[in-house]
Order: sequence, then structure tokens, then C-alpha cells
Amino acid sequence: GQNIDQPTEMTATEGAIVQINCTYQTSGFNGLFWYQQHAGEAPTFLSYNVLDGLEEKGRFSSFLSRSKGYSYLLLKELQMKDSASYLCAVVDSNYQLIWGAGTKLIIKP
Amino acid sequence: ETGVTQTPRHLVMGMTNKKSLKCEQHLGHNAMYWYKQSAKKPLELMFVYSLEERVENNSVPSRFSPECPNSSHLFLHLHTLQPEDSALYLCASSQDSGASYEQYFGPGTRLTVT
Repeated sequence: GQNIDQPTEMTATEGAIVQINCTYQTSGFNGLFWYQQHAGEAPTFLSYNVLDGLEEKGRFSSFLSRSKGYSYLLLKELQMKDSASYLCAVVDSNYQLIWGAGTKLIIKP
Repeated sequence: ETGVTQTPRHLVMGMTNKKSLKCEQHLGHNAMYWYKQSAKKPLELMFVYSLEERVENNSVPSRFSPECPNSSHLFLHLHTLQPEDSALYLCASSQDSGASYEQYFGPGTRLTVT
């Protein structure tokens, strides 16, 4: 079967750095997405990785290792508004999008 | 504001009721999606439309009936639902129906079946 694993919940401190991991076992790979979803709101696109390596976008970076079936989202200089759920999703060989259950990130002052 | 709107935002219905969820996208996209989101579970893709034609139906019970009259509007008609259908129903759109395209989501309809 196809599976995406993410921690259910993480807690971090304002101003700090946090890394949210995502591991996947899918039938093939054609890219990986990260989305952010604030409580009661729509998921919004953060990043898309299809090649190995780190992609930086302001305070957020996303890393991919296809050989390890692994990605992480790195959030720097955490702000209270970063409290949200972070969803990992993988495009498999049939170009189907397989979603993880999401990681709820709680930021404390 | 993502350019995708959904109404109503909240809906409470009995198991014998019939109701419809509405989604509209203002982005000029060709593909639209219905997802079900339950607490602590992955997003479940229900239906995909590309250029108003249904291209995917992930074995969704017939009590959910989608309708796509044009590329900007998507409906989900509901009838004789079960309590386990209570969830957040999200609509999304993308430039095309290929999964490698970024999806733009609406805020969702919080559905409670009593």
C-alpha cells in the first residue's frame, strides 16, 4: 500500500527553528508538496520538490531525498502565525496525489 | 483569499435531508476537486473534474453526487447521509488535472450529520 508518515503534533518556541519530517512509501514518485492549513481555513501551497536537495523560500525551506523516501519542511524564526497544520503530499507513478494526515505545529511564546 | 469560494461554510443536516454544497473558482482553472477532510486523517479525494468532465471517482458512495455545470462551478449534492459523513468538505482547483499542479483550496464546508 501507499503510505505517508508525518508526526501528529509538534511544539516549538517563537523565534526558534523547527523541522517537520515526512517519509513516504509510494508506487513511484513524481514530486512532493507541502501545504499549510490554519485552523478553519483552506490549505495553501508552500512548496513543491521533484529533485533532491534543499529549496529555500524566505523563512521556509523544503528538502527532498528520493533515495530515502524522505522530505522535511524547515521553518526558521518562528512566529505565532506559523501555528498551523502542515500537510505533506506525494505524486505517485500514476500521477495520483497521496496525502499525509498532517502535522499540527503549536508555537509557544 | 485563494480565489476559491465555498458555500455554505457550515451545514447541519439530518440523515433524511437533501442539501447541496457549492464551490466557485475565479482563477480560470480547468480542473476542480472535492475532498473530504476528517480529523487526524489524510485528505480523501472524492471527485475530479477536468474541463467539466468527471475524470476520477474514488469509489464514493452514491449518496454523494457531484455536478460541474461549467469550469468555474462545482456542486456536491448530498442525500440520505450517515453520521460518519460529518467532516470538512474542501473544494480545490488547479490549472490542469495533473497531480503535479499546485491546487488552490476553498475554506471548506463544515458538515454535521445528525
